[in-house]
Amino acid sequence: QKEVEQNSGPLSVPEGAIASLNCTYSDRGSQSFFWYRQYSGKSPELIMFIYSNGDKEDGRFTAQLNKASQYVSLLIRDSQPSDSATYLCAVTQVSGTGKLIFGQGTTLQVKP
Amino acid sequence: KAGVTQTPRYLIKTRGQQVTLSCSPISGHRSVSWYQQTPGQGLQFLFEYFSETQRNKGNFPGRFSGRQFSNSRSEMNVSTLELGDSALYLCASSSADSETQYFGPGTRLLVL
Repeated sequence: QKEVEQNSGPLSVPEGAIASLNCTYSDRGSQSFFWYRQYSGKSPELIMFIYSNGDKEDGRFTAQLNKASQYVSLLIRDSQPSDSATYLCAVTQVSGTGKLIFGQGTTLQVKP
Repeated sequence: KAGVTQTPRYLIKTRGQQVTLSCSPISGHRSVSWYQQTPGQGLQFLFEYFSETQRNKGNFPGRFSGRQFSNSRSEMNVSTLELGDSALYLCASSSADSETQYFGPGTRLLVL
C-alpha cells in the first residue's frame, strides 16, 4: 500500500463546474496536509495546507480533512481552463523533519 | 520576498560524471529539502537540512549527498551518475516554525 494515494486521472470537468480531487494516506499519525498544483514542465506551487479536521476555504479552493477516515480532498469551484494541471497531495508524517510524502498526482482537465 | 532559486536550470552530463546543484532558499528560511521527480516514481524526498545539519534522509544511495551553508544556501551532489538519475531535482524551503514548503523552479538533469 502506498503511503499517499491519488487517482491519477485524468479527471475531466466542464468549465464552471466543481472539480473534486481526493487523496488517502496510510499513516494515521500524519500531521500536516498540503495540496500543490503543477503545470507541465514547471515546479509544484502551493495551493493550500490544512492541519485540522474539517474544511478550509481560500477563494475558489476548499480543502477538506477527515483524519478518522484518513483522507483529504480538494474542491475547486467554478473551474477554469487555467486550472488544468496535475494536483499533488502531500503529507508530513513527523513534524520538524522537512519530509513531505507525495502522492502520484491527479491530472485535471477543464474543458471550455 | 524573492522565491526559492535553483541553479543551473538545465544540465546534461554523461554516465560516471558527478554534478553539483545549488539552491538558495527564501530569505529567512532555514530549512531546505531536496526532492527528485521522475515520471515513474513521482516526487521522492532526498534529504533535508536545517541550520547546516542534515535532519532527515530519504532512501537514496550514498551517491546522493548534500550540505548547507551558514547563509542557508544548500547544495546537493550526485557522484558517479547513472542513466536513472535523469530527473527534475527540486528544492523547497520552509521557515523554522512552519511545515509549509515552497518549491524552486528545479534543475532538470539529463544523464547520457
